[in-house]
Amino acid sequence: GAGVSQSPRYKVAKRGQDVALRCDPISGHVSLFWYQQALGQGPEFLTYFQNEAQLDKSGLPSDRFFAERPEGSVSTLKIQRTQQEDSAVYLCASSNQLAAFVFGPGTRLTVL
Amino acid sequence: AQTVTQSQPEMSVQEAETVTLSCTYDTSESDYYLFWYKQPPSRQMILVIRQEAYKQQNATENRFSVNFQKAAKSFSLKISDSQLGDAAMYFCAYRSYNNNDMRFGAGTRLTVKP
Repeated sequence: GAGVSQSPRYKVAKRGQDVALRCDPISGHVSLFWYQQALGQGPEFLTYFQNEAQLDKSGLPSDRFFAERPEGSVSTLKIQRTQQEDSAVYLCASSNQLAAFVFGPGTRLTVL
Repeated sequence: AQTVTQSQPEMSVQEAETVTLSCTYDTSESDYYLFWYKQPPSRQMILVIRQEAYKQQNATENRFSVNFQKAAKSFSLKISDSQLGDAAMYFCAYRSYNNNDMRFGAGTRLTVKP
């Protein structure tokens, strides 16, 4: 597609619910990144894929967070047993090798 | 680990005037990329300008230019002839040649006064 798309754009979850956030990167972009952005803060790195391989997951805050990209295109970020501190905007970005990132519009997650 | 510091949480500028946003970074690497991203209230991050560290010439994109001082590890953004549409959060970001993730500063909120 022309840009990176993310769905849903907004998600409200009750504490303890599982959520799944989807990212559709730009076609042909081998690299895909997930970031977490708290209100008023800069994006914080979560995890990185090159094609279907998850090469770095050092930024995932706990084992409740899980990401996958099984066919090297669409990626899903799953958060199990959501907590209030998980409330944030989750940004997905894709890039070609060393080019600049192209970001999606983000998913705003609110955990009540 | 690389860190990116934006020391100005908020800045304001009069329409048609010039404003400079500051950014410093800490790295032991010699090859890397630097970026400025703009994030309007809609929250979509948009690339404003990029600079390769090996290039001495400062990058320019229309009204946007950078002052890249490699020795000082400084990377400021100058916006000339500011427009109301420039109002947004601006993030400075660092990406090394070796690591794939991008590190962001905390951002500067720019207000443009008519």
